[in-house]
Amino acid sequence: DGGITQSPKYLFRKEGQNVTLSCEQNLNHDAMYWYRQDPGQGLRLIYYSQIVNDFQKGDIAEGYSVSREKKESFPLTVTSAQKNPTAFYLCASSWTGNTEAFFGQGTRLTVV
Amino acid sequence: AQSVTQLDSQVPVFEEAPVELRCNYSSSVSVYLFWYVQYPNQGLQLLLKYLSGSTLVKGINGFEAEFNKSQTSFHLRKPSVHISDTAEYFCAVIEFTNAGKSTFGDGTTLTVKP
Repeated sequence: DGGITQSPKYLFRKEGQNVTLSCEQNLNHDAMYWYRQDPGQGLRLIYYSQIVNDFQKGDIAEGYSVSREKKESFPLTVTSAQKNPTAFYLCASSWTGNTEAFFGQGTRLTVV
Repeated sequence: AQSVTQLDSQVPVFEEAPVELRCNYSSSVSVYLFWYVQYPNQGLQLLLKYLSGSTLVKGINGFEAEFNKSQTSFHLRKPSVHISDTAEYFCAVIEFTNAGKSTFGDGTTLTVKP
């Protein structure tokens, strides 16, 4: 079945450690996105990529990094510079252009 | 820059009652409009979308929405809700010139009571 897979579903890390969230899609979509979701704040765009080896900052990129070495994969690293990393992270993909996004099931990151 | 306002953060209704979830947007250019649904601890799923053509669009699970360009609104409606419709609903817009980047509202939590 085609879709987007995020792993792990739950992730716990100690403060000060970097952590990488995985996102893989087999929909042959060109564009991929990372969103952060906090209660009552909707979805905020962290990074997006419209083509392999290229990506752009979203609205809240500070403290995060990404790579896009393969069309299917768009991992997100939450670095120690992110001051409040505990959140629900959603990965999405879409065809290039103005179409709907397809979402993964999310990763809930808790930093203790 | 585009923005989306969902006018109600929480909407409680009784089962089999009608419901309307309100969404207004702001943009200086033409937009595409979407409604998504999110169940607890899951990703978002597309309910319906407006790209062009008829301003009344029908989606999954009996939902429909009407695009009103003059009022810059895209309200979501269902004539009779079920317990299973309890979820969070997000309105989103993409500007024609913004290459697929969606802007989401803050969400509306729909709670259907028996």
